[in-house]
Formats: sequence, C-alpha cells, structure tokens
Amino acid sequence: NAGVTQTPKFQVLKTGQSMTLQCAQDMNHEYMSWYRQDPGMGLRLIHYSVGAGITDQGEVPNGYNVSRSTTEDFPLRLLSAAPSQTSVYFCASSYSTAGHIYEQYFGPGTRLTVT
Amino acid sequence: GENVEQHPSTLSVQEGDSAVIKCTYSDSASNYFPWYKQELGKGPQLIIDIRSNVGEKKDQRIAVTLNKTAKHFSLHITETQPEDSAVYFCAATRDTGRRALTFGSGTRLQVQP
Repeated sequence: NAGVTQTPKFQVLKTGQSMTLQCAQDMNHEYMSWYRQDPGMGLRLIHYSVGAGITDQGEVPNGYNVSRSTTEDFPLRLLSAAPSQTSVYFCASSYSTAGHIYEQYFGPGTRLTVT
Repeated sequence: GENVEQHPSTLSVQEGDSAVIKCTYSDSASNYFPWYKQELGKGPQLIIDIRSNVGEKKDQRIAVTLNKTAKHFSLHITETQPEDSAVYFCAATRDTGRRALTFGSGTRLQVQP
C-alpha cells in the first residue's frame, strides 16, 4: 500500500492564481480530510468528507473548495490564492464507523508559498 | 467547539531521562485522544491513542494518561533516545458529528545525547 499520497510536494503561486492540491489513498478509507499547518498553531481542519459525494466544512474553509467523486481521491482547490494561504497542507484518511473514529493516516504534505 | 492547549512548547532532556507533555481540552463530549509525532519534513504519525473509557495506556516506552474530570491528558516517554527528538501533537475529538481532530499547538522535544 502506498498509503496517503499528495502532489505536488512544493508549489509557489502568485496572488490570485488558482490551483488544485491532489490527495489519494489506497486503503479504502471512507473518511478523508484536509488540514493546514502554520507555525505555532498546530493543524487546523479545512474540509472533510465522510464518503464519496459527501463533504463538509471544517474550522478554516474560506478560500478553499473540495469534492469527493471517488473513495480514493479528495482534491483541495484554492480558488484565488492569497498570501495568508501560505502554509503546509496535509491530507489524512481513516476508517470510520458510525460509532468510532480510528487512526488518521497523514500524507507527506504540500508546502505552498503564495507571493 | 473544542479547544486543546498543550504545554510545554519546547522540552529538552538528556538521553535516558523521562519526558512529559501535557494537554487540556474544553469539550466534555470529546472521547478520543491521539498523540502524533512529526519529524522534520514529514506528516504526523500516530504513536499512541486513548479513549475516554480508559484511564491509562502503555506501549513500550510510551504511555498516555487521561483525567476526564479535570479534562487533561498527558504523554509520558521514558528512557528517551535521540530518535525521540521531534514535534509531538496532542489532539481530541468526539465520535459523533465531524469526528475531526482538534490539535494542540505542538511540543518540540530535543533529546540530548
């Protein structure tokens, strides 16, 4: 198993540009999520999905869109990049049931700089 | 929503000593508390977790304790080794609703050889 993969590893954007961060998992996990990590602030949830076709907002959703057309893929779209979106982005997935949450597996991250 | 506070932000110990990292949470409905280790340039990796029906859990040199009444939980690493040097994050969540993790701000642990 490759686990959770993310592309690209690094990206530099100009203010106003758009792009998609890719995330894929091969563990057949229903639950997938996107976090951003900023210095001294831990990880904060952007969007999450409990299954194909179902997405919802997290703690810091503004400026980002997601979709979940398959179980494996959960791309994150930046609509119009701003310097405040400079961060490291992590995708995570986990098995889940209605009653329990299980270990979340994180990808290696995408380091994004917006100039 | 949930709020998780983590202390200390940095911790330096001598090899072989113990290290303790503490977290408090605000949502009394939270019932799952994982700890993650993050090495430089990598994603967080789960090292141990505990659920609210258990007060303590051990895995070799690592242990976690949970005090539901006081709403705090702690990570204990014994016989520290240089490879334990990393950033450690605590997190909390509940089994219902978003089931999304709320993270503490992290502790940078440095183990001096």
